Order: sequence, then structure tokens, then C-alpha cells
Amino acid sequence: SAVISQKPSRDICQRGTSLTIQCQVDSQVTMMFWYRQQPGQSLTLIATANQGSEATYESGFVIDKFPISRPNLTFSTLTVSNMSPEDSSIYLCSVWTVSYGYTFGSGTRLTVV
Amino acid sequence: AQSVTQLDSQVPVFEEAPVELRCNYSSSVSVYLFWYVQYPNQGLQLLLKYLSGSTLVKGINGFEAEFNKSQTSFHLRKPSVHISDTAEYFCAVSEAQGGSEKLVFGKGTKLTVNP
Repeated sequence: SAVISQKPSRDICQRGTSLTIQCQVDSQVTMMFWYRQQPGQSLTLIATANQGSEATYESGFVIDKFPISRPNLTFSTLTVSNMSPEDSSIYLCSVWTVSYGYTFGSGTRLTVV
Repeated sequence: AQSVTQLDSQVPVFEEAPVELRCNYSSSVSVYLFWYVQYPNQGLQLLLKYLSGSTLVKGINGFEAEFNKSQTSFHLRKPSVHISDTAEYFCAVSEAQGGSEKLVFGKGTKLTVNP
């Protein structure tokens, strides 16, 4: 499958600060997806990042809170801005390949205190 | 829009017993279907997928699933489970558009295998 490297793997942050999560893929992909998994919950899509254009956000997620960059076909970042304890979640990036379908990074476990 | 219903939030079974985790989906278009496993404090691992072709799909760790279009189901089965299969299992669906569409997840089924 596509190998996805996601950093950091975990972090503890103070409320009001921001954290940028990086996602690096070992092959070129058109679409990259960012998901959130709140404690004890399923995964919810935050946004879809297409190289060279603005990310497309799902209902309930806004660019000011979750800005995304997609500078090339193998890399993307998600920033969680002005964090509050409610942002404590696992954040995962995902890509599609024809051979393997949707592959996920190992996730970033964020705790906001 | 697609939706996924995992009918059981928790499934306890004894080791070496068979198990079935149920998944139903709703969609007005052709779909891709997936099962993922999440072990405690770990990321998501793909168990198996249905993109096209044979409706019986075999995955890793002895799991298999059958796509039933008439019943809009994609149930996951294993004939004999191990303690190590204890994990959360997620069923997911996307439009069959070659990866340009998002995955929609079910709420998950927590499988607990007891000795």
C-alpha cells in the first residue's frame, strides 16, 4: 500500500495555541483527505485537499480553524488553530490508490489542556 | 449521499468461535466498500475492500466479507477468532469514483474475544 508518514504521532498542547500536522506520502496522489476521530467515536472527514487548489471542507469545519496546505502531490499539512479541549482527538490523513483503496497514516493523537 | 450502519456496537465472543460483524449501507450510486481494524491506541489498518468483481472478498488475518447488493450489506466474517482479534472494526463506503470521493464510516463495532 501507499506508505504515509504522519508527524507528530502525539502531542499535548496548551489551549489557545496551534498545532501543524504533517502528512508525507511515498508516491504522488491527487487527493489527500484529513479525518478526525474524537475519543470513542468513529472517523469524520474534515476536508479534502487537492494539489493546486483550495481544500474543500465538510459541514461543520472551517478554514480558519483547520487551515490546510497542499504544496505538491506527496505532502499536506493540517493546522488545528486556537485549540480548546474539545479539539482533543486523533487526526488522520488518508490517500487513495487504485491498488489499495484508501490508506491511512498512523494518526496524530492530540491532547489539549 | 452515502451512509453506513453497523448494527452492533459491541460483540463479545469466545476464542475459536465464529464471528460476524454486520454492516449495511445506503447509496443511490455504485459504491466501494471497506472494512478497517483499529487496535487500541493505533491507527487504521485495511482488512479488506470491495471495488468490483467477485462479491466474496478475502482479507488479512482470515477475515472475509460478502457484498450483497440487493440487501445493501457487506458483513464481515471470520470462522475462528483469536484473542488478538480484539479491536474496533469500522465499515466504510465511498462512491465508486476512483478515489475522488470521501469515505463515510460507520460508528464501529468493538469485538472482544474472551478466553
